[in-house]
Amino acid sequence: DAKTTQPPSMDCAEGRAANLPCNHSTISGNEYVYWYRQIHSQGPQYIIHGLKNNETNEMASLIITEDRKSSTLILPHATLRDTAVYYCIVRVVRRTNAGKSTFGDGTTLTVKP
Amino acid sequence: NAGVTQTPKFRVLKTGQSMTLLCAQDMNHEYMYWYRQDPGMGLRLIHYSVGEGTTAKGEVPDGYNVSRLKKQNFLLGLESAAPSQTSVYFCASSYSGTSGGEGYEQFFGPGTRLTVL
Repeated sequence: DAKTTQPPSMDCAEGRAANLPCNHSTISGNEYVYWYRQIHSQGPQYIIHGLKNNETNEMASLIITEDRKSSTLILPHATLRDTAVYYCIVRVVRRTNAGKSTFGDGTTLTVKP
Repeated sequence: NAGVTQTPKFRVLKTGQSMTLLCAQDMNHEYMYWYRQDPGMGLRLIHYSVGEGTTAKGEVPDGYNVSRLKKQNFLLGLESAAPSQTSVYFCASSYSGTSGGEGYEQFFGPGTRLTVL
């Protein structure tokens, strides 16, 4: 599994867009980029995933560079409830590996009033 | 649907004691996982299972055993607890699907907070 690199912490003003970067320079062609977040000490929650095209859902947008070596998670209008640790992981799911992946230390996003 | 549930929520053990953590999911997922999370750190995979009756080692399997006798349950056992196993343990499950490498998201339980004295 490719490893990812994320900044340890970021701040964002409430109502502004939060842009969280992730570096995955060793990603292989069939690995997908997934984002999860962990609020306080709860179990992680899935946000979004993609392969090479930009993706958007009701929670966030995912921008993947053309060379796929990095990506950015965008929370368009951050709220105080978005304060959490955000994890970027890469994985490819096969019957033999159940899509197991490595969660790094993530980025602690603090949304401030 | 209850999703992924974990039992117990909290536990304190003495060194050398044994215990079993239970994970249950009601989503008919094939894949299940056990992670541990130490303070201020990310999640590390202990063991995982691709289906009933099968298990495999993750990143940090030493000191733990697992069993998947029923599709909906995944048990994590500590035979002789050590202080280094003080952690929060998360279980997760995922649908296997037929989409090949893309896969589906993992659903996580609320965690079990274990302290070994």
